[in-house]
Formats: sequence, structure tokens, C-alpha cells
Amino acid sequence: IAGITQAPTSQILAAGRRMTLRCTQDMRHNAMYWYRQDLGLGLRLIHYSNTAGTTGKGEVPDGYSVSRANTDDFPLTLASAVPSQTSVYFCASSQTGAGFFGPGTRLTVL
Amino acid sequence: DQQVKQNSPSLSVQEGRISILNCDYTNSMFDYFLWYKKYPAEGPTFLISISSIKDKNEDGRFTVFLNKSAKHLSLHIVPSQPGDSAVYFCAIDNTDKLIFGTGTRLQVFP
Repeated sequence: IAGITQAPTSQILAAGRRMTLRCTQDMRHNAMYWYRQDLGLGLRLIHYSNTAGTTGKGEVPDGYSVSRANTDDFPLTLASAVPSQTSVYFCASSQTGAGFFGPGTRLTVL
Repeated sequence: DQQVKQNSPSLSVQEGRISILNCDYTNSMFDYFLWYKKYPAEGPTFLISISSIKDKNEDGRFTVFLNKSAKHLSLHIVPSQPGDSAVYFCAIDNTDKLIFGTGTRLQVFP
């Protein structure tokens, strides 16, 4: 089934630990994005990639890194998690404007 | 500095009536606008879009209106149905990055 998968579905993480959120799409979209959703703040862009091999910073990039080794995969890494990174994380991909979103990863940092 | 604003965090409408969700933006250079719908524990899904060359786009029960001079767009749902109860996000396409508003929670009651 075409779409976007994210893993894990949810995670509880101790502060200071490293964590990678995985995102894979099978639609061959060039652009991919990571957003975080927080109550009252909507969806905020963390990092994006317009094509394999390139990445860019969004609105709230600090504390996060991404890589885009191929078209399908766009992992998001928290090098040293902090409680303020507790959020729901959505990966998305797009080809011509409208983005398709994954089901999200709920991350809790204690 | 929020580029996209949804000033009503919630809206309650009776089934069969019209729901009107509003969104304001700051930059007159934006030229493509989208609405997304989000159910709990799911990723946002694309609903309808409009480009700046139009002032209205209709798809079934959903119509988006764009007022460029006021930098305002709205989503009309008529007739509203209980299944429309969700959080609605407006978004602007800013050089291939989607910037979202904070969302409006719509509740449609019988």
C-alpha cells in the first residue's frame, strides 16, 4: 500500500539519550519533511529535504538532525533528548504542493 | 512571528448547518493555500487547496474562499456532518515548504 510509514509509533525516552525516528515513503516523492505538533502551536517544520542528498532547516531545527541518503528514507535524529522535545512527530512527503503525512510518532522525554 | 494564523481554537456547529473556519496570513507573496484535516492519533490529510489566481475552489461539501486583499482564507463545510469533527489546519506553500496555522478544532453535534 502506497504511503508513508513511521517508526516507532510511540517511545518513552530518558533525557540525554539519542533517538532516531524513522520515516519511509514509497511514492517516489522528491520532497520530505519533519514536523512536530504541540498543543496550541500547530504543526511546526523541523527540517526538510527537497531531493535526495539535500536537507534544509525549518522553523525549529535546534536539537535535531536529518539525512537523506536516498529518495525513500528521511530519518530524524535527536542527539541528546531534552524534555521540551516531548511531542508528536509527523513525517510528510510531497511532489507538487499537497503533502502526504505519516501516522506520527509520539515521543515522551523524561 | 506567525505567518499563518487561525484565531479560533475551536468551533461547535450543529449537524446540517454550515461550518466556517478562518485563516489569516501575513505575506502577500504567498500564492498557494491548503486545508488539512486531522483526526486524533492520525496524520493530517489534505482536504482542498486554492491558488492565488482564484478566489474560490469547491469540492463537494467543501469550499475554500481566498480574499487576497485581506490576506484571508476560509473553509466552508455545508452541510456539516458529525464525521467532520476534527482539527482543521490551514497551510501556505512557502517555496516548497508547508507552513501551518495552529489549527481549529471543529465539533459537529447532532
